[in-house]
Amino acid sequence: QQQVKQSPQSLIVQKGGISIINCAYENTAFDYFPWYQQFPGKGPALLIAIRPDVSEKKEGRFTISFNKSAKQFSLHIMDSQPGDSATYFCAASGRTGTASKLTFGTGTRLQVTL
Amino acid sequence: GAGVSQTPSNKVTEKGKYVELRCDPISGHTALYWYRQSLGQGPEFLIYFQGTGAADDSGLPNDRFFAVRPEGSVSTLKIQRTERGDSAVYLCASSIKWGGEAFFGQGTRLTVV
Repeated sequence: QQQVKQSPQSLIVQKGGISIINCAYENTAFDYFPWYQQFPGKGPALLIAIRPDVSEKKEGRFTISFNKSAKQFSLHIMDSQPGDSATYFCAASGRTGTASKLTFGTGTRLQVTL
Repeated sequence: GAGVSQTPSNKVTEKGKYVELRCDPISGHTALYWYRQSLGQGPEFLIYFQGTGAADDSGLPNDRFFAVRPEGSVSTLKIQRTERGDSAVYLCASSIKWGGEAFFGQGTRLTVV
């Protein structure tokens, strides 16, 4: 059962453009929504995370937008750079029961071109 | 250590053999997680330790998979009678406490031939 759906599967953006990756979840017990960045041959690295008490969180060029009623959240990368080229995973977890472990989306491979 | 360390980084084994994968978490982190990542997929949860005990092993695919953390620090994931379908990258992560920010190691790429 895929509890976190991520799109698109791949994304090509020009340098300086905005990259947008979307995720949707099903389990209403989820209350922690991180985004991870993964380079080839490396483990995922936490990029930014949000809890559902806020609708947006910004850290530098990275912003998470969160829509609790729609059960959707998205990552926006402003002024995308070639060094941002990587695979991005959204994830979700909750505090109890089957939700209390990070469930990952299937990933988005981002390529930022010059 | 500075980060989560996993050894070996690559492991090739023959079908039917036994393998052990090691994870050394960040010092002071009480929570430790194992995930498995197949090609082109997101990491999938296997097992979680709080201290020495396995708090949740619901992600282990079958009884060929077992993990231990005897002293509450280093953990070993053990796979018996390996199958070609076990080929994947096995990721370990740790956090200060359950539900805290999880830091991942670089993974062990297991190939069963």
